[in-house]
Amino acid sequence: GENVEQHPSTLSVQEGDSAVIKCTYSDSASNYFPWYKQELGKRPQLIIDIRSNVGEKKDQRIAVTLNKTAKHFSLHITETQPEDSAVYFCAASKGYSSASKIIFGSGTRLSIRP
Amino acid sequence: EADIYQTPRYLVIGTGKKITLECSQTMGHDKMYWYQQDPGMELHLIHYSYGVNSTEKGDLSSESTVSRIRTEHFPLTLESARPSHTSQYLCASSRTGKIDNEQFFGPGTRLTVL
Repeated sequence: GENVEQHPSTLSVQEGDSAVIKCTYSDSASNYFPWYKQELGKRPQLIIDIRSNVGEKKDQRIAVTLNKTAKHFSLHITETQPEDSAVYFCAASKGYSSASKIIFGSGTRLSIRP
Repeated sequence: EADIYQTPRYLVIGTGKKITLECSQTMGHDKMYWYQQDPGMELHLIHYSYGVNSTEKGDLSSESTVSRIRTEHFPLTLESARPSHTSQYLCASSRTGKIDNEQFFGPGTRLTVL
């Protein structure tokens, strides 16, 4: 079955700097790669996703890149702000398959230093 | 409003009690999931369902059971609660398809077993 590895487990960056979180997946048939942000005491919420037919996607200060050959994808946050402090989860799934479940990485706790 | 709901939000019970955590979604999603999560930590999948009358155990060994008699409803039952069950339980749902596979999370039930 699918396995998703996420690194680093914790990340501290200076406000204004960039943050990068990396994930690898094992199932080459996975085609949907979402990223979730979980703020303290709240539920995880989708912030950006990418499908296997696209190599990069951007939404304001966040971007995700996908390398299908190497089976890894990354989240990039530029110009970090205090509100970016949260736990981030990557995930992978075969979205088109009725018998496929989404697999999450173990999470990255991002702290933004003022 | 289309959403995913969980009740109760908080529950404190004694050891040995039987409890049911409720989860309902109004988005017509075919897939539903239960996760156990300690604050800010990894999401541990305990049960999932691909559709009505379909349930599977997740990766985390659990002494709970689930049922999926209706598409919108996915309750989790603990026959005999123990202190080790103290945690937050998150319900989630998603749709199979070539687009729109976002997984939505409920607000969670924070369970404390004394």
